[in-house]
Amino acid sequence: GAGVSQSPRYKVAKRGQDVALRCDPISGHVSLFWYQQALGQGPEFLTYFQNEAQLDKSGLPSDRFFAERPEGSVSTLKIQRTQQEDSAVYLCASSLAYNEQFFGPGTRLTVL
Amino acid sequence: GESVGLHLPTLSVQEGDNSIINCAYSNSASDYFIWYKQESGKGPQFIIDIRSNMDKRQGQRVTVLLNKTVKHLSLQIAATQPGDSAVYFCAEPDSGGGADGLTFGKGTHLIIQP
Repeated sequence: GAGVSQSPRYKVAKRGQDVALRCDPISGHVSLFWYQQALGQGPEFLTYFQNEAQLDKSGLPSDRFFAERPEGSVSTLKIQRTQQEDSAVYLCASSLAYNEQFFGPGTRLTVL
Repeated sequence: GESVGLHLPTLSVQEGDNSIINCAYSNSASDYFIWYKQESGKGPQFIIDIRSNMDKRQGQRVTVLLNKTVKHLSLQIAATQPGDSAVYFCAEPDSGGGADGLTFGKGTHLIIQP
């Protein structure tokens, strides 16, 4: 399809494990965003890329969270030493420079 | 700091009736707002947006109203259908532009009764 895709759709991790979440944006979209959505809440901004440059990472909750987009296309959100409070849906969105953001289906992370 | 929030967590309406979902914001400098629809298991989907130089904007079956005096906006859905069942969020860009992260409200769950 032509939309934003994310994998895996569901991830269960034991506390302390590292996880990697992948986002494939819409082809040609310059901007890429990561959000965290807790149950019953609205998405919360984590970080933003313009091409391969990470221009804003102010929303990352701790240094255990790391995102990269090395070639300006696919992005990976990595969470090290996962904690129970990291359980959430992680959403990726992409957009042309100043246009609407198109969201992927999200990855539901459950930390046991 | 700025915040975007919603008055009601759940709204139940009869199929065919009109729905009104409300949102309040706190930053008087906010100049751009977006409404998103999120169905279960899916990511948010853009519905309609409005800039602060407008009071009203209409789309297909949806209308957004902006009252800058009281810092309030609403989403009106005409002739609500079962497919409208979802959580609706208002959102605004963190920087007031379009290429930065969005700040979302908590959402209103719209339930359609047959």
